[in-house]
Amino acid sequence: QKEVEQNSGPLSVPEGAIASLNCTYSDRGSQSFFWYRQYSGKSPELIMSIYSNGDKEDGRFTAQLNKASQYVSLLIRDSQPSDSATYLCAVTFSGTYKYIFGTGTRLKVLA
Amino acid sequence: DTAVSQTPKYLVTQMGNDKSIKCEQNLGHDTMYWYKQDSKKFLKIMFSYNNKELIINETVPNRFSPKSPDKAHLNLHINSLELGDSAVYFCASSQGTGGITEAFFGQGTRLTVV
Repeated sequence: QKEVEQNSGPLSVPEGAIASLNCTYSDRGSQSFFWYRQYSGKSPELIMSIYSNGDKEDGRFTAQLNKASQYVSLLIRDSQPSDSATYLCAVTFSGTYKYIFGTGTRLKVLA
Repeated sequence: DTAVSQTPKYLVTQMGNDKSIKCEQNLGHDTMYWYKQDSKKFLKIMFSYNNKELIINETVPNRFSPKSPDKAHLNLHINSLELGDSAVYFCASSQGTGGITEAFFGQGTRLTVV
C-alpha cells in the first residue's frame, strides 16, 4: 500500500518565524511531489511542485526533496497569520495515475 | 474566470435520493478526477478519466457512477444516498495521465445526507 504521511499538528509558530512541514512517503517509485494549502471550507490550492532532489524556492516558500530518505518538506519563511491553514502533501507514483495525499498538517501562525 | 468549477456548492438531501454533481474545467487538461474529503479532511481518490476514458476506479460503491461526456467535463451521479456519503467532493484536473504535472481543484461540493 503506497502511503503518504504527515504529522497532523497543529504546528504553532510565532509570526515572523520559519514554519517547517514534513512529509514522508512509503514507496521509492514516486515521481512527483506537491504541496497544497487548504483553508477551512475551501479547496486545496497548489503552492509548490518539486520533481528532483534538492531545494526549490518560490517567494517565502521552499520545498525540499530527498528521495533517498523518502521525505519532502516545506519551509515557510517569515510566517504570517494568513499562512494559518492545513498543508497537504501529495505524491504521484510511477505506474499510477493519481495523486495520493497525506492527512495534512494544520499550521497556526500566532500574531 | 474559474479554472475548475463544480455545481452545486452545497447539496442537502435525504437518504435514498439520487443526486448529481457537475464539473467543468477550462484549462485544456485531458485528465479529470473526483476526490472525496471526509470529516477528518483526508482526500481520497475515487475516479479518474483521461480523454473521456475511465483510468482509475478505486473501491467505490457501485452507487457512484462517473460520466465524462468530453474531456472538459466530468460528472458524478450517486444513487440511493446513504448517511456515510456525507462529505466534500472535489473535482480536479491535470495535464497527462502520469500525475507528473500539478492538479487543480474545483471549489468542492459539500454533500449532506439527512
